[in-house]
This record gives sequence, C-alpha cells and structure tokens, in this order.
Amino acid sequence: TQLLEQSPQFLSIQEGENLTVYCNSSSVFSSLQWYRQEPGEGPVLLVTVVTGGEVKKLKRLTFQFGDARKDSSLHITAAQPGDTGLYLCAGGTAAGNKLTFGGGTRVLVKP
Amino acid sequence: DAGITQSPRHKVTETGTPVTLRCHQTENHRYMYWYRQDPGHGLRLIHYSYGVKDTDKGEVSDGYSVSRSKTEDFLLTLESATSSQTSVYFCAVTGDYGYTFGSGTRLTVV
Repeated sequence: TQLLEQSPQFLSIQEGENLTVYCNSSSVFSSLQWYRQEPGEGPVLLVTVVTGGEVKKLKRLTFQFGDARKDSSLHITAAQPGDTGLYLCAGGTAAGNKLTFGGGTRVLVKP
Repeated sequence: DAGITQSPRHKVTETGTPVTLRCHQTENHRYMYWYRQDPGHGLRLIHYSYGVKDTDKGEVSDGYSVSRSKTEDFLLTLESATSSQTSVYFCAVTGDYGYTFGSGTRLTVV
C-alpha cells in the first residue's frame, strides 16, 4: 500500500505570512495532485504535477514535485484569509486511475 | 462543475439497517469512485467503477457494496450499517484534469 504523509497536520498563521505544506512518501508516483477543501464541500483540484523537479505557480501558490517523484510541497506567499481550508495531496500511479490521498493539512489564516 | 449530485446530503440511520447512497453524474464519465473521509485519515477509497457493471474494491471495501447499472449512476450500499461507518462519503469522477468531487453525504449511524 502506498502511503502519503502530509505535514504539518495543522497550521495557523497571520494574514500576510508565508506557509509551506509538505507531502512525502517512500513510493514513486507518476503524478501528484493538490486539492483544497472547504467545510461542507468536496475537494477541488488546484494543480497536477507529473515531471520530477517540476514547479508550477498559481498566483500566490507554488507547487513543486520532488526530483524522485516521491514528495511534493505547496508554498503560499502572503497568505490571505481566503486561503483557509484543508489542503490534500494525492498521488497517482501509471497503472490506473486510482489516487492515494494524504491525511490533509488544515490551514487557518487569521485576518 | 462535472455535474455530480450526491443524495442524500445528510442521513441518520440505526445500526444494522441497510443504507444506499447515490451518485449521479451528467457528463458521461467512465470512471466513478466512492471515498470516505474521516479526521486524520484523509480520503480512503471504498470502491470504484470503470464502466457499467464494472467495479472493483478499494482499500476499505469491507461492509460496502456498489452497483453501476447506468453510466450516470453509481450506488454505494452499506449492507448492515455499523457505527464505524459514520463518516462523510464523497463520490468522484475522473475528468481531463484530475478528480471532480461531489459535495458529500454526511452519514451518522446511531
């Protein structure tokens, strides 16, 4: 069974600060996706990275896929209260369409 | 929005009763999934389907069964609900850019 571990589990910061969320595994994934989930709703896809070492930017969010495709990070610059939510990483394999999810990082950005 | 509707949104049921949750999609996606979400465990795959009448087990399939008689509908059945099945259940489909999830069903087994 492939496992994805996210850290930290919870992060509370002030508006304007930066934060980084990590997603680590001992397994290699063909792709890594990041989702954000708000209370009462399903997760929403933010980004997919597929190449080792790949970096993608989405406004103030920067996503990186590790060179060995075993880990990933999400960095938010100048966080805003609207960034509050549960961030989930998910790894995909070339064998099929199933994703393995990490346990999630709950982010709270205080105004 | 991939046109995914889950029903019901909330349900309270008694231990030992059968429960069926429904996922309906309007965009002809081939793959459909049922996940459960519990604090500290993230999302765990229960069952998935890769076509009409084609289903397979996920990592936490015990106590659950599924059926897909039409492309648009994927049903999850708890044969005899237990308190450990209290959870939030999400249906998902695979689109061009990753999974799209429904809004979830919060199930409480008392």
